[in-house]
Amino acid sequence: QQQVKQSPQSLIVQKGGISIINCAYENTAFDYFPWYQQFPGKGPALLIAIRPDVSEKKEGRFTISFNKSAKQFSLHIMDSQPGDSATYFCAASRTNSGGSNYKLTFGKGTLLTVNP
Amino acid sequence: DVKVTQSSRYLVKRTGEKVFLECVQDMDHENMFWYRQDPGLGLRLIYFSYDVKMKEKGDIPEGYSVSREKKERFSLILESASTNQTSMYLCASSPRGYRTPGYTFGSGTRLTVV
Repeated sequence: QQQVKQSPQSLIVQKGGISIINCAYENTAFDYFPWYQQFPGKGPALLIAIRPDVSEKKEGRFTISFNKSAKQFSLHIMDSQPGDSATYFCAASRTNSGGSNYKLTFGKGTLLTVNP
Repeated sequence: DVKVTQSSRYLVKRTGEKVFLECVQDMDHENMFWYRQDPGLGLRLIYFSYDVKMKEKGDIPEGYSVSREKKERFSLILESASTNQTSMYLCASSPRGYRTPGYTFGSGTRLTVV
C-alpha cells in the first residue's frame, strides 16, 4: 500500500518557469510533510517542511501548499533555475504516542530538469 | 558541520556473502534509519532504531538485519547477499522530539551483488 503518491515522475521546465510537484496521502494521522532534494551522488537533503496547522509555507523560491481536506500537498519552485535540477521527494510522518515524529514515508520521487 | 557518514561509497559483493554496511552520525541523534533507493520505487524503509539496542522493521526487512550497539552507529547486515539486493543504500538520523528538523542523510552506499 503506497501511502504517499507523488506526481509527476519527471518534469522538464524552462529557466524562469514554475515547477510544480504534487503529492497525495492516505493516512489522516500524518502531521508532518517535508520535501527533500537530492542531487546525483548525494543523499537527500531537507528542503522545506509544513505541518497541517498552516496552508502554505514559503522559503525563498520554494513554497509548499497544503490542502488538508483533499489530503494533498505540493511543492512550487518559482523562477526555476538549472541548479534546481535534481530529484525531489515528498514525505509524511505522524506523531507517535511518545510525542516524536520519526518514521517518514516517502513518495517515489520526481526528476526535475530545468533547461537553460 | 554535522554529518552522517557511510563507510563505503561503492561495494561489489558476491552472491551468498554476508555484507555489512556501516553508518555513523556525530549529532547525538536518537533515531537512525536504513533505506534503499531504487529507480521508480523511491526510498523504502528497511529498518529503523529509536534507541541503542532497539530496532523496528520497516516496510522491506526481508533478507536484512541491523545492529545498534552504540548511539552513533547503526549497521545494516545482508545475511546472504542476493542479486536483488543490488541497490543504493541510504542511512539517515534524526533527533527525538516533536517539531524536529527532519532527517539528515548520508551520501549512500551503492552495492552491487554479482
